[in-house]
Amino acid sequence: DGGITQSPKYLFRKEGQNVTLSCEQNLNHDAMYWYRQDPGQGLRLIYYSQIVNDFQKGDIAEGYSVSREKKESFPLTVTSAQKNPTAFYLCASSIRNYNEQFFGPGTRLTVL
Amino acid sequence: SQKIEQNSEALNIQEGKTATLTCNYTNYSPAYLQWYRQDPGRGPVFLLLIRENEKEKRKERLKVTFDTTLKQSLFHITASQPADSATYLCALEEPTGGGNKLTFGTGTQLKVEL
Repeated sequence: DGGITQSPKYLFRKEGQNVTLSCEQNLNHDAMYWYRQDPGQGLRLIYYSQIVNDFQKGDIAEGYSVSREKKESFPLTVTSAQKNPTAFYLCASSIRNYNEQFFGPGTRLTVL
Repeated sequence: SQKIEQNSEALNIQEGKTATLTCNYTNYSPAYLQWYRQDPGRGPVFLLLIRENEKEKRKERLKVTFDTTLKQSLFHITASQPADSATYLCALEEPTGGGNKLTFGTGTQLKVEL
């Protein structure tokens, strides 16, 4: 089955620790995206990548970092510099220059 | 940057009726606009895309309109069912010179009652 996966579904970390969220897709999509969703708010773009070894900051990139070494993978690291990291994180992918985005199931990160 | 407004209050309707959700934007008119469905604790699922030169788009019981003069899109679900209960998100394209960066609204929660 083709799709986009995120792991883990739930993640707990202590304050001050970096944590990496996984995102993998086997849809052969060029573009990948990371969003953050807080209660009562829309999705906010953290980082996006349109091609391997290239990525751009979204609207709320501070405190986050990404890499895109492989077409299939776009991991997101939430660093200790992110002041309020507890949120629902969503990864998505799309065919470059096409429009529909396919979303993963999300990772709910709780920082204690 | 683009500001998108969707009704923050939940929309409650009776089964069989038509649900109408609104998406208003304030700045430039995007080349296209998309609607997604999101169930609690899950990722959004793409429903429909409408381009700026299209007035209306249909898919089964779904219909989307796009009025660039009013800066508004309407999303209709006809013959609504309890299974249609979810949050519906509107998303607009942001020009980036490549790719499709989207800005999402906060969504409107729809509840279809028996």
